[in-house]
Amino acid sequence: NAGVMQNPRHLVRRRGQEARLRCSPMKGHSHVYWYRQLPEEGLKFMVYLQKENIIDESGMPKERFSAEFPKEGPSILRIQQVVRGDSAAYFCASSPGSRERDEQFFGPGTRLTVL
Amino acid sequence: AQTVTQSQPEMSVQEAETVTLSCTYDTSENNYYLFWYKQPPSRQMILVIRQEAYKQQNATENRFSVNFQKAAKSFSLKISDSQLGDTAMYFCAFMKLLGGTSYGKLTFGQGTILTVHP
Repeated sequence: NAGVMQNPRHLVRRRGQEARLRCSPMKGHSHVYWYRQLPEEGLKFMVYLQKENIIDESGMPKERFSAEFPKEGPSILRIQQVVRGDSAAYFCASSPGSRERDEQFFGPGTRLTVL
Repeated sequence: AQTVTQSQPEMSVQEAETVTLSCTYDTSENNYYLFWYKQPPSRQMILVIRQEAYKQQNATENRFSVNFQKAAKSFSLKISDSQLGDTAMYFCAFMKLLGGTSYGKLTFGQGTILTVHP
């Protein structure tokens, strides 16, 4: 069973460009979470999605950031008009959404560098 | 809102020795989970151990065990017989249960860098 997949692993963007980060959850998992890790800090929750629904986006910046998890295909975290402060590692995690197996499995992360 | 505090930015231990990493949290919830995650230099987040708040028995996973003190809101990680491969950043994390089959976000501490010396 393949783990959580994220691509690209490394992404370089210039200020003002758009960044699209993709996350494919583990097979059978219908819940996806996005976290951001700034240098020398812990992970900070951004958004929690189920298929076609945003459940909790309390950690998402109000502007420029959006996330989706369509019925088919990976979850996408989109950052418009990137700024240097967006440079960070972005982690996706998935879970089956079952009370018996609530563990979140993490992907390897996407390291975004904004020049 | 929940907060998780790890007061030890860095720790070191000799190979084969035992080390304890501290974590405290603040919540008004009664039903939650606590986790320790390991992040080695590869930056992959790896679950080390978890504890359900309703269970009084401390969780153990091979060389890893926790000391869960619910009243004190303390959740420390003990690593026995430390190995060089244990060198990593360790994060304590809190998860509030949302009820039903929906599960909530993780709130992480700042992390503790653990170095195991040969």
